[in-house]
Amino acid sequence: EVQLVESGGGLVQPGGSLRLSCAASEFTFSSFFMHWVRQAPGKGPVWVSRVSTDGSSAVYADSVKGRFTISRDNAKNTLYLQMNSLRAEDTAVYYCARGADSGANWFDPWGQGTLVTVSS
Amino acid sequence: EIVLTQSPATLSLSPGESATLSCRASQSITRFLGWYQQKPGQAPRLLIYDASNRATGIPARFSGSGSGTDFTLTISNLEPEDFAVYYCQQRGQWPLTFGGGTKVETK
Repeated sequence: EVQLVESGGGLVQPGGSLRLSCAASEFTFSSFFMHWVRQAPGKGPVWVSRVSTDGSSAVYADSVKGRFTISRDNAKNTLYLQMNSLRAEDTAVYYCARGADSGANWFDPWGQGTLVTVSS
Repeated sequence: EIVLTQSPATLSLSPGESATLSCRASQSITRFLGWYQQKPGQAPRLLIYDASNRATGIPARFSGSGSGTDFTLTISNLEPEDFAVYYCQQRGQWPLTFGGGTKVETK
């Protein structure tokens, strides 16, 4: 069964940094586009970023462009999200999601999520 | 940015009934619309992609339709496990966006 396990969340002060990781298993990680999607408490999901299969290309939501960096290590089957200059509005559960077999920009499956709280 | 508007916000139904959920896009996305189900404390799960295709393992009681700007998710013969929040998502244009959700609750 495909598994995605996020880690690295926690409490950080405004202006701080955090790096999230997503460990993938039971599929050929290097063959799939990967995404980060976040969801603030009680709100709907919001797409954050996508990285290409080889890590050479990335797309970002305007709200995180210039502050967040998505990357991947195909040798380690791991996806990353480096988050800098964090703001209160970045508080959310962050999910990693695989681009689906049916299309790179559908999310299937998702990890269980890691909570990021930005607060002083 | 394409805005997806879902209606109604809440649908109160009984098991065995049918649910009809709507998603309207602010501009045409042809058929590039998907639907997800989310239960409390869980991540969303892909149900439907490209408007009408069921994802792997999704029961036939879930069906999608529509094109352009108006889309529908129909759940026939609601099972107890179908009571959840449903989100639509478009892949027709960057950034990828989601609707605000429809909660299907037990009447």
